[in-house]
Amino acid sequence: DTEVTQTPKHLVMGMTNKKSLKCEQHMGHRAMYWYKQKAKKPPELMFVYSYEKLSINESVPSRFSPECPNSSLLNLHLHALQPEDSALYLCASSQEVGLRDGVNEKLFFGSGTQLSVL
Amino acid sequence: SQQGEEDPQALSIQEGENATMNCSYKTSINNLQWYRQNSGRGLVHLILIRSNEREKHSGRLRVTLDTSKKSSSLLITASRAADTASYFCATDVQGGSEKLVFGKGMKLTVNP
Repeated sequence: DTEVTQTPKHLVMGMTNKKSLKCEQHMGHRAMYWYKQKAKKPPELMFVYSYEKLSINESVPSRFSPECPNSSLLNLHLHALQPEDSALYLCASSQEVGLRDGVNEKLFFGSGTQLSVL
Repeated sequence: SQQGEEDPQALSIQEGENATMNCSYKTSINNLQWYRQNSGRGLVHLILIRSNEREKHSGRLRVTLDTSKKSSSLLITASRAADTASYFCATDVQGGSEKLVFGKGMKLTVNP
């Protein structure tokens, strides 16, 4: 199984709502990532988890709260978002962070959650 | 922050033709990767080239890397309509944190 599964595929939420994005992989990967991608732009890194611990936070506003309950799951909790947060949110995983042997550096992406904040 | 810049930004060709995309970057790297993204979907890893490699092949893909010019090119030979997608280069910054930085991307359209 070489899939990263993200749910939901689409989400519309108001600025006062609380919602969560979910990501799951069963490849035994120990690194998981959240990226944000605006239309016609490249993905921008938000968070990196390595062995279920947050290793990188790219100065993301606190209205985005990541969680890694176990090595297969990654959540992104959303609260009090702004319309400018509307974007495609991509989850990715890799075998390891920091081992440069070609295998560990390749990212596997999910199909993303298209988020609209009204 | 963005590291790579793909050139051209958009390319339209006929099926069977070759497509070449270029990527330039600014800082020293450990490796450079190319990813493909179909519209509104996730990215798919295509190929990785290390900083000590000059050329790599995978099926119809050929990647070159010139570290002295801080540039890479991706060649897709005998293109197919299914190759229509956006293509991104991504660099792993040497000595930096363990993250990929994606370039702006290039939209390739292959007309049947």
